[in-house]
Amino acid sequence: AQTVTQSQPEMSVQEAETVTLSCTYDTSESDYYLFWYKQPPSRQMILVIRQEAYKQQNATENRFSVNFQKAAKSFSLKISDSQLGDAAMYFCAYSLYGNKLVFGAGTILRVKS
Amino acid sequence: KAGVTQTPRYLIKTRGQQVTLSCSPISGHRSVSWYQQTPGQGLQFLFEYFSETQRNKGNFPGRFSGRQFSNSRSEMNVSTLELGDSALYLCASRPGTGAYEQYFGPGTRLTVT
Repeated sequence: AQTVTQSQPEMSVQEAETVTLSCTYDTSESDYYLFWYKQPPSRQMILVIRQEAYKQQNATENRFSVNFQKAAKSFSLKISDSQLGDAAMYFCAYSLYGNKLVFGAGTILRVKS
Repeated sequence: KAGVTQTPRYLIKTRGQQVTLSCSPISGHRSVSWYQQTPGQGLQFLFEYFSETQRNKGNFPGRFSGRQFSNSRSEMNVSTLELGDSALYLCASRPGTGAYEQYFGPGTRLTVT
């Protein structure tokens, strides 16, 4: 069974600085999808960024980028120029066909002003 | 486009009762998935429906069931409620064909007393 591990229960970052959240996963498949979701206190899950495993190029979305290392089964999220609104729980997720998402335990990100 | 909507947002039930939660996907989306979020178990996949057919099921007892209607709206039912069923139930939708990003609703907070 596929598993997703987020080893950092909590992270802090100063406003305007950069932070990296870690994620590793376990799968025997070669084609799959990886995601980062953000869950603020409102509990609404928001898709931050996605990565297709067959693409070597790392995905970027504005201030958010990933470092996808397929051989190492690692998928970290970098947030640049952190803002107060980035404070949330961040979940890394894996999906084989885009349907069933397997989530990590989450990382709480605190942003200090 | 309107996002995924879930009703009700909050619900309090007593042990042994049953409950039905509703989810309306984004217009045009044919796939609806359900997830349970608890502090202890994290986010767990319940099931996925596509074109009124259950395509995937997570590791939950038979007390958890669901269905999807011809307009893609989905309902989830939990019978004989237990205290451990207290959770945030999240619904997510995606187009279903060639698109693998899931978009989440705000969730239904179920409390079982």
